[in-house]
Amino acid sequence: GAVVSQHPSWVICKSGTSVKIECRSLDFQATTMFWYRQFPKQSLMLMATSNEGSKATYEQGVEKDKFLINHASLTLSTLTVTSAHPEDSSFYICSANRGSEKLFFGSGTQLSVL
Amino acid sequence: KQEVTQIPAALSVPEGENLVLNCSFTDSAIYNLQWFRQDPGKGLTSLLLIQSSQREQTSGRLNASLDKSSGRSTLYIAASQPGDSATYLCAVTPTASGGSYIPTFGRGTSLIVHP
Repeated sequence: GAVVSQHPSWVICKSGTSVKIECRSLDFQATTMFWYRQFPKQSLMLMATSNEGSKATYEQGVEKDKFLINHASLTLSTLTVTSAHPEDSSFYICSANRGSEKLFFGSGTQLSVL
Repeated sequence: KQEVTQIPAALSVPEGENLVLNCSFTDSAIYNLQWFRQDPGKGLTSLLLIQSSQREQTSGRLNASLDKSSGRSTLYIAASQPGDSATYLCAVTPTASGGSYIPTFGRGTSLIVHP
């Protein structure tokens, strides 16, 4: 089956630094990728929809300048948390689909900002 | 706006029981519905995908049904095992809007199967 690779699995950083998370589709081309945020014992909150070659579509309330998304190729989307603060600590998950087919998820990234 | 509700929020059962997890959605104009499993600190693993034209899908001890008209789906787990302990999420994908299929997730059912 299709595989989505997400890296890193976890990261600890100091407040004020920027963190980049990568999401790759390994065996298919993903025209659309989704970035989610998940708090403990909560469901996934969609942050943005990333489309290859165009600007990402952010959900209401998500700061575009804080969460930079780049989808430069059909197999790679990146999420950069800029000037991270403790309140940005969360579990971030990406997913990809091939048009209308089922979603494939990365393994997630646990971000801890000190 | 699509809303997805999962009941119960949590479930704790002894090994061997047959289980039913429920998912309801408010807008029946869906493209598909998907059930996922999530282990603590991990990503989501797809369990079953039901297209809007289908009524059920089966995989091993899992069976998912879909009643689009009533806005309901159930995930049936037969002969539960401790290894089934996880959070189960359902996601509803609407019919395309502007070429995008953006799913809506429920909050999940946290399942514990104890030996």
